[in-house]
Amino acid sequence: SQTIHQWPATLVQPVGSPLSLECTVEGTSNPNLYWYRQAAGRGLQLLFYSVGIGQISSEVPQNLSASRPQDRQFILSSKKLLLSDSGFYLCAWGVNRAPYGYTFGSGTRLTVV
Amino acid sequence: AQKVTQAQTEISVVEKEDVTLDCVYETRDTTYYLFWYKQPPSGELVFLIRRNSFDEQNEISGRYSWNFQKSTSSFNFTITASQVVDSAVYFCALEDGGSQGNLIFGKGTKLSVKP
Repeated sequence: SQTIHQWPATLVQPVGSPLSLECTVEGTSNPNLYWYRQAAGRGLQLLFYSVGIGQISSEVPQNLSASRPQDRQFILSSKKLLLSDSGFYLCAWGVNRAPYGYTFGSGTRLTVV
Repeated sequence: AQKVTQAQTEISVVEKEDVTLDCVYETRDTTYYLFWYKQPPSGELVFLIRRNSFDEQNEISGRYSWNFQKSTSSFNFTITASQVVDSAVYFCALEDGGSQGNLIFGKGTKLSVKP
């Protein structure tokens, strides 16, 4: 069966520090991968998605970047964190076949201080 | 533009009561998908259902049922005989047929089921 792993679960980082969040998927090949952010007062928002290795699309301009170095690995990064980057980050993978939806990881709660 | 509205911010019920969570969506596409997700206190989003715009049949899964009405652009979710374990935030989401997993989420409804 397919599983999605995300780490770390929680992270407290100072303003200006770098960030690297990792997401891996098991049990499937060539998945579509997604990074969402859930920020207070702004709901859930798609940040990046990838349909293949090295292919990244950004939905929202921001201080973050994403990379997909391997088929089942998706990384969210920042060179210098801002206070506004605080939030709950969720990785997801999806297949475009009913009745399946998008499967989300357990999330990383990031607090920038 | 696509939009999902969950007008109920918080709902509190007593165990065994039935509860309906409302979802109204806006889209110009004729092909789209609607979802419901559950977010328990632990934070992960749990997939509940996906429906496409061409299938208006109501669906029942155990104590859960969904009512999809294109005429009113609504996709409501009912929990029958609610239980304390149903306490969570529930999100309705819309995906247009041409998008690549860009789910437009509503702001969620926090359901509290008290014993």
